Amino acid sequence: SQTIHQWPATLVQPVGSPLSLECTVEGTSNPNLYWYRQAAGRGLQLLFYSVGIGQISSEVPQNLSASRPQDRQFILSSKKLLLSDSGFYLCAWSLHQRSEQFFGPGTRLTVL
Amino acid sequence: GIQVEQSPPDLILQEGANSTLRCNFSDSVNNLQWFHQNPWGQLINLFYIPSGTKQNGRLSATTVATERYSLLYISSSQTTDSGVYFCAVGTGNTPLVFGKGTRLSVIA
Repeated sequence: SQTIHQWPATLVQPVGSPLSLECTVEGTSNPNLYWYRQAAGRGLQLLFYSVGIGQISSEVPQNLSASRPQDRQFILSSKKLLLSDSGFYLCAWSLHQRSEQFFGPGTRLTVL
Repeated sequence: GIQVEQSPPDLILQEGANSTLRCNFSDSVNNLQWFHQNPWGQLINLFYIPSGTKQNGRLSATTVATERYSLLYISSSQTTDSGVYFCAVGTGNTPLVFGKGTRLSVIA
């Protein structure tokens, strides 16, 4: 069966520091991968998605970037964090765009 | 892009009550999912239901794609049903678009 991992689970970082969040999927090949952010409140905002190694689509302009160095690894990065980057970051995978999407446990980021 | 509206935004139920959550969308879809976000933030898949009706225990869902809505039914609610329920839809080869959710509180 497939599983999705995210780390770290929680993170507190100062403004201006770099960021690296990692997401890995096990039990499948060539998945579509997604990064979402959920700010205080309820909505999920799609940040990036990837249909293959090195292929990244950005949904919104922001202080973040994403990379996919391996088939089942998706990394969210920032060179300098802003206060507004605080939130709950969720990684997800699916076999393709039309298939069921599954989420990881998330990383709760606080920028002080 | 496609618009997704969920109603009601908030719902308070007595334990044992039934409820219906609604998701309206503005375009044809080929992907529709219902999720439950528990108090710890985990998004749990409830249904993958671009059309038709499915049931899983006390939960069931119906999507009427031609009329652009989906309904999630919760029967005999329990306190563990509390959390936020999201509807998300996809069209063509675009990623899922999420509604703003329905926050459900079940009181013992």
